[in-house]
Amino acid sequence: EAGVTQSPTHLIKTRGQQATLRCSPISGHTSVYWYQQALGLGLQFLLWYDEGEERNRGNFPPRFSGRQFPNYSSELNVNALELEDSALYLCASSLVSSGGGEQYFGPGTRLTVT
Amino acid sequence: AQSVAQPEDQVNVAEGNPLTVKCTYSVSGNPYLFWYVQYPNRGLQFLLKYITGDNLVKGSYGFEAEFNKSQTSFHLKKPSALVSDSALYFCAVRDGVDSSYKLIFGSGTRLLVRP
Repeated sequence: EAGVTQSPTHLIKTRGQQATLRCSPISGHTSVYWYQQALGLGLQFLLWYDEGEERNRGNFPPRFSGRQFPNYSSELNVNALELEDSALYLCASSLVSSGGGEQYFGPGTRLTVT
Repeated sequence: AQSVAQPEDQVNVAEGNPLTVKCTYSVSGNPYLFWYVQYPNRGLQFLLKYITGDNLVKGSYGFEAEFNKSQTSFHLKKPSALVSDSALYFCAVRDGVDSSYKLIFGSGTRLLVRP
C-alpha cells in the first residue's frame, strides 16, 4: 500500500512569491493535516482538512491556505513568502473516524525562501 | 493548554544497552499519546500509540512505551539499542476533548547509539 506522497521534494522561491505544495493521502484516508517543521521552532500544526472542508487551522497568518480535492488530495498555498517561511512542510493523513487514530506522514517538501 | 515536554535534547547510549527517551504531557481531557521517529531528510514514521488499556504499549522495531497517568509521562523504551536506532524522536499528544484532532509535538530528542 502506498504511503503519503508529497511534491515537490524541494522548492526554492524568492521573497514575495507564492508557493504551492501538494499531498496525496493514503488510500481510504479522508483527513489531511499540514505541519511546519522550522529550525528552532519544532513541529507546528498548520491546517486540517476533512471531506473537502477546512476543519481547523493553527496559529498561522491567512497567507497560509489550502484546499482538499474530491479525491482527498490536498494543496497548501503560501502567499507573499517571507524568509521565515523556510521550513520542511509535512503532510499527514488519517482516518478521522478512528478517533485516536495515528497520523501517517509523507516525506515532506523543503521550502527555501531567498 | 495542551503541551508536550521532551526534557533531553540528546540521549547517548551504547549499542546493546537499554534506552529511554522521556516525554511528559499536559492535556485537559484524556490523552492520546504517540511516538514518531524521523531519520535525516525524511518524514516522521509512526512507532506506537497509547489510547486506552494496558499502560505498556508495544510498537515497531522493538520499541515500547509506558503510560503513567499520575506522572503524566509516556517514556519510550527499548531493551537493547541498535546503531540503526540513531535518529530524532518525537513525542506527540492529542487531547481527547479537542475535536481538531491535531497533534501537539514535543521538541524532539536526538538518540545517538554508539557501536
